[in-house]
Amino acid sequence: AAGVIQSPRHLIKEKRETATLKCYPIPRHDTVYWYQQGPGQDPQFLISFYEKMQSDKGSIPDRFSAQQFSDYHSELNMSSLELGDSALYFCASSSYGETQYFGPGTRLLVL
Amino acid sequence: AQRVTQPEKLLSVFKGAPVELKCNYSYSGSPELFWYVQYSRQRLQLLLRHISRESIKGFTADLNKGETSFHLKKPFAQEEDSAMYYCALRAGGTSYGKLTFGQGTILTVHP
Repeated sequence: AAGVIQSPRHLIKEKRETATLKCYPIPRHDTVYWYQQGPGQDPQFLISFYEKMQSDKGSIPDRFSAQQFSDYHSELNMSSLELGDSALYFCASSSYGETQYFGPGTRLLVL
Repeated sequence: AQRVTQPEKLLSVFKGAPVELKCNYSYSGSPELFWYVQYSRQRLQLLLRHISRESIKGFTADLNKGETSFHLKKPFAQEEDSAMYYCALRAGGTSYGKLTFGQGTILTVHP
């Protein structure tokens, strides 16, 4: 069965640069969630989208923005990167209110 | 606000021994509880959700609203059970959908 796809899988950036992470949900899933997992920490919710509209917002910095496109894929844009942004970024998808299925994550390293 | 606590960061057992991974939560409403598992270098996978009350890979978990717990149990641990286990809570209302994770428990099953 098709799973959630994230790209890139690994990303290295310098401080103050910009990064774009992409998430392709499971077909027919209408909801996408983004989570951030810092080293040795549990995943923290950032933001979610349902039918291309933002449905919930967590502890997402103002430097970050995200959107869901007409084909339901989502992109997380991160600007003015800081060392503390180094983390594993998970995307999950679901049919609204149903079980969330996670992607493999994008590991971001900011130098 | 909701909170999930997994008091044990590390748990080691021998093959064939019973195992219990503890999870406690705080939430004023009626929560949905999940267990996710992350095997080495793999994505988060759903193991159990309390609504379905099913047993997966020999694991069971019962929601105890009085004790606000959702402990994960298996009577006979196997080496392939070694992984990181996360307990997660999904709240209702306007925050419907996002997961709040515990800190995770690393289970090691020795031969």
